[in-house]
Amino acid sequence: QKEVEQNSGPLSVPEGAIASLNCTYSDRVSQSFFWYRQYSGKSPELIMSIYSNGDKEDGRFTAQLNKASQYVSLLIRDSQPSDSATYLCAVRDDYKLSFGAGTTVTVRA
Amino acid sequence: GAGVSQSPRYKVAKRGQDVALRCDPISGHVSLFWYQQALGQGPEFLTYFQNEAQLDKSGLPSDRFFAERPEGSVSTLKIQRTQQEDSAVYLCASRYQAGGTEAFFGQGTRLTVV
Repeated sequence: QKEVEQNSGPLSVPEGAIASLNCTYSDRVSQSFFWYRQYSGKSPELIMSIYSNGDKEDGRFTAQLNKASQYVSLLIRDSQPSDSATYLCAVRDDYKLSFGAGTTVTVRA
Repeated sequence: GAGVSQSPRYKVAKRGQDVALRCDPISGHVSLFWYQQALGQGPEFLTYFQNEAQLDKSGLPSDRFFAERPEGSVSTLKIQRTQQEDSAVYLCASRYQAGGTEAFFGQGTRLTVV
């Protein structure tokens, strides 16, 4: 079972600020990395996927991957109250996903 | 259907009771997964089907847990003689192909064993 570790929360940021979420993983051969957003009582929803080293931007979200350091991060720019949720880092091994425990983000209006 | 559908949404079971949780994946999706999510934790892998074949059941916590997908579409996760530690949200996800595409999650079934 692969280990996926996320920075412990909760993380509270003011509206308009940048929220920074970090994740490390233990298996060097992992190739696919994902960030899911999960609102309370709801199912996980994919917001970003990244497969190669570097940055990937999608709207206000930027994922960063460093395979040498076995590190993946998510930045949320111009945070909005609607971004308040738990963010799950996931690593895929062939077919199945291994998840971190999640980081809960609260955006203060 | 439009998404992955799970039923029931909530289930309260007395300790020792058997339960059956249903997952109706997105039509045409080959891969189906079951995950268990304890409160405050990320989802933990339970089992994986490709069509009707159960290719990986390594995450099932005990022999009280059993999953099937007899016709390659609807899947049922059965838990026999439920224990309090089985209380969790059980998530089903499906994917169009075996790999390389997004997995879509259902809303989950929240099981509470009393």
